[in-house]
This record gives sequence, C-alpha cells and structure tokens, in this order.
Amino acid sequence: EAAVTQSPRNKVAVTGGKVTLSCNQTNNHNNMYWYRQDTGHGLRLIHYSYGAGSTEKGDIPDGYKASRPSQENFSLILELATPSQTSVYFCASGDAGFEQYFGPGTRLTVL
Amino acid sequence: QEKVQQSPESLIVPEGAMVSLNCSFSDSASQSIWWYQQHPGKGPKALISIFSNGNKKEGRLTVYLNRASLHVSLHIKDSQPSDSAVYLCAVSLNTGNYKYVFGAGTRLKVIA
Repeated sequence: EAAVTQSPRNKVAVTGGKVTLSCNQTNNHNNMYWYRQDTGHGLRLIHYSYGAGSTEKGDIPDGYKASRPSQENFSLILELATPSQTSVYFCASGDAGFEQYFGPGTRLTVL
Repeated sequence: QEKVQQSPESLIVPEGAMVSLNCSFSDSASQSIWWYQQHPGKGPKALISIFSNGNKKEGRLTVYLNRASLHVSLHIKDSQPSDSAVYLCAVSLNTGNYKYVFGAGTRLKVIA
C-alpha cells in the first residue's frame, strides 16, 4: 500500500512567521505535489516536483516555496505567513499519468 | 487554464439508491479523468479513472466519458452509508507534465 505521511498534522502560526510543512513518501514515485483545499475551491496545486532537486510552480505559487532534497521528501515553506494562507494542505505522490496518493493533510491556521 | 465544474454541490439519498455525479471540463484534449473519494478529515483516495470515450465499470461504480460534450459522470449503484463522502473529479492536462485540475467536489450523504 502506497504511503504518504505529513507533519505536522496541525499547526498554528503567527502572521509574518515562517512555516515549514513536511511530506514523506515510501512509494518511490518521481512526482510529488502540494495542494491546498478550501471550501468552494477544491484542491489547488501550489508546487510540484519531478524528482530530487526539482521544483515547479503550480497554479497558485505566490507566497510559497518548495524544496525536494530527496526522492522521499518534499517540503512546503511559507517564509512570511499570512492569514489568507489558513487552509488544509495536502501532499501527494504519483507516477506520471497514474493515480495520486495523498497524505492525511495538515491543518494550518495563521493568526 | 482548464476549468472543472462539478454538480450537484451536495446530494442526500436513501440507502440502496443509484447516485449520479457530474463533471464538466473545458479542454477536449485532456488526457484522463479520475474520480477521488474523500472522507472527513482524510486525504482523497482514487476510485476509478477513464481515458477513452465510452464507459468503464468497476464493481458498483460506472464512469461515462463523452469528450464531444466535455462531460464525465460517475454512477454508484446500490449506495451505502459508507459511501457518504466528498467526490472529486480530476482532469489531467495535455501538457506533458501530468498536472491535474480538480473540481470543487460533490458532497454525498447516504441515509440508512
């Protein structure tokens, strides 16, 4: 069974603070993705990666950076968190053209 | 930019009913369409996919794709309370990088 884990599961941050969300996959998938999910918007792609060392901008990258130091790990970084970034964040992995496997999500609140 | 619209927004049905969920998309060259199921507090999980025009059946699920009308539907036969979840339609873009665009979802509640 493909496995994607995320940490932390819940996070409260202050406006202007730095937040790092971490994702680990044991599926040996080349592609990894970061989405945010908000009511009425479904899942929106923030950043994705084709493999270690690569990051690509998704549809809503502003205010976010990503890092893929290894095949297994993919991080999402909010350098200066804002209340508008309050959301649930999902990491996923998958081979090109096949299903994506999602983690359990991180609920981020920026006060 | 690909747009994916799902309808209805929410649906309540009695146990045993046939459920029909709809998804329309804007790019006829989109490569594949996936349906995901998401239970509260969980990540989405893939249910079924379709690549070619026509239909595909897996267990109680049937999916129909009509590229000419840019429409795909998911039908759940003999619905169960455990089917209560949000159903997401995801369309892959024909750009070679296998990005997916997701719809906002349909919230289904099956009442025993």
